[in-house]
Amino acid sequence: AQTVTQSQPEMSVQEAETVTLSCTYDTSESDYYLFWYKQPPSRQMILVIRQEAYKQQNATENRFSVNFQKAAKSFSLKISDSQLGDAAMYFCAYRKARGDYKLSFGAGTTVTVRA
Amino acid sequence: GAGVSQSPSNKVTEKGKDVELRCDPISGHTALYWYRQRLGQGLEFLIYFQGNSAPDKSGLPSDRFSAERTGESVSTLTIQRTQQEDSAVYLCASSRAPGTGVGNEQFFGPGTRLTVL
Repeated sequence: AQTVTQSQPEMSVQEAETVTLSCTYDTSESDYYLFWYKQPPSRQMILVIRQEAYKQQNATENRFSVNFQKAAKSFSLKISDSQLGDAAMYFCAYRKARGDYKLSFGAGTTVTVRA
Repeated sequence: GAGVSQSPSNKVTEKGKDVELRCDPISGHTALYWYRQRLGQGLEFLIYFQGNSAPDKSGLPSDRFSAERTGESVSTLTIQRTQQEDSAVYLCASSRAPGTGVGNEQFFGPGTRLTVL
């Protein structure tokens, strides 16, 4: 079974500053996908960024970037130039590349942005 | 509709009652997933549909939980004889297909908050 661990229940960041959220995972698979989802108070899960395990290059989406360390099974999310709208719960998720389509989620990190 | 919709948005019920939660996936999405999110926790997988068959029911916590899907459309999650431990947000997601492509992103609905008194 795959487990996803987010060790930071809460993080606070000043507006315009940078915050990094940690995620580690456990798997015996060599090919898989990793995701960061954002969940604001509306409960709507929004995909922020995805990473294919076979790609060495770290994914980037505007102000969001990841640091994917496959050997260490680590997948951190960096939010640059934080905005008030970034305040939400962030979940790290894992999915096998084949044979199993469900997402396995970490417990989440609540991000607060200070004005 | 443009996105995944779920109803009701909130449901309060008494212990022992049955409840039905509904999910309308994005049109054309063949794969549908149900997840449960307990307060302050991550999402737990419940069941996955491909069309109207459910090849993976491994996450259903007990035989009080069941789900069905009509064709490649609406799905209903039923919880019988609800218990207080069933209180959670139930989220539905759909994707174009369950294939391995990274493009088969799961799009989530806003969830149903179930409270069992």
